[in-house]
Amino acid sequence: AQTVTQSQPEMSVQEAETVTLSCTYDTSESDYYLFWYKQPPSRQMILVIRQEAYKQQNATENRFSVNFQKAAKSFSLKISDSQLGDAAMYFCAYRRINQFYFGTGTSLTVIP
Amino acid sequence: DTAVSQTPKYLVTQMGNDKSIKCEQNLGHDTMYWYKQDSKKFLKIMFSYNNKELIINETVPNRFSPKSPDKAHLNLHINSLELGDSAVYFCASSQDSGVRYTFGSGTRLTVV
Repeated sequence: AQTVTQSQPEMSVQEAETVTLSCTYDTSESDYYLFWYKQPPSRQMILVIRQEAYKQQNATENRFSVNFQKAAKSFSLKISDSQLGDAAMYFCAYRRINQFYFGTGTSLTVIP
Repeated sequence: DTAVSQTPKYLVTQMGNDKSIKCEQNLGHDTMYWYKQDSKKFLKIMFSYNNKELIINETVPNRFSPKSPDKAHLNLHINSLELGDSAVYFCASSQDSGVRYTFGSGTRLTVV
């Protein structure tokens, strides 16, 4: 069974600071993808970053980067220089073939 | 130029009614999905269609019936609505086994 766990229901960060959101997952597969999605109050699911399991190098997208530890089945998201617009729910997701499994989300508050 | 569009965005209805949510994608993707996001923000897949064929059918009540008239459309029909059906329903589409995956903006269904 594939499960995704986000142990931090809520996090807060000061504007311009750095925050790390945690995610762990459980799988017996070796080939899969991991994602972080952002869901602002508008409800739209926005892809933040994607990591292929076969790649050892951590994915980076501007201020967003991940720490992918395959052996530990850990996939944390680091947001640098946090901005007010980063405030949202963040979902970690595991994808195998064409189905996603989502974590329960972390609500991020950015304090001005 | 909306990629995955759902209608309506909001739907309030009484218990026992039958309602439909429509989804259309103009990305040329070959697979479409329905996800349910409950009040605790948990996202779970319900159905997946690939080229009009049902490929994923998670454990959902028989009152939920997806219909795919063509590969650009996947509608969700719900019979005999219950209070517990209140949630946000997301449509999504993908191509290339999910490498390119796009969510709609969601439909908030409220059953009263």
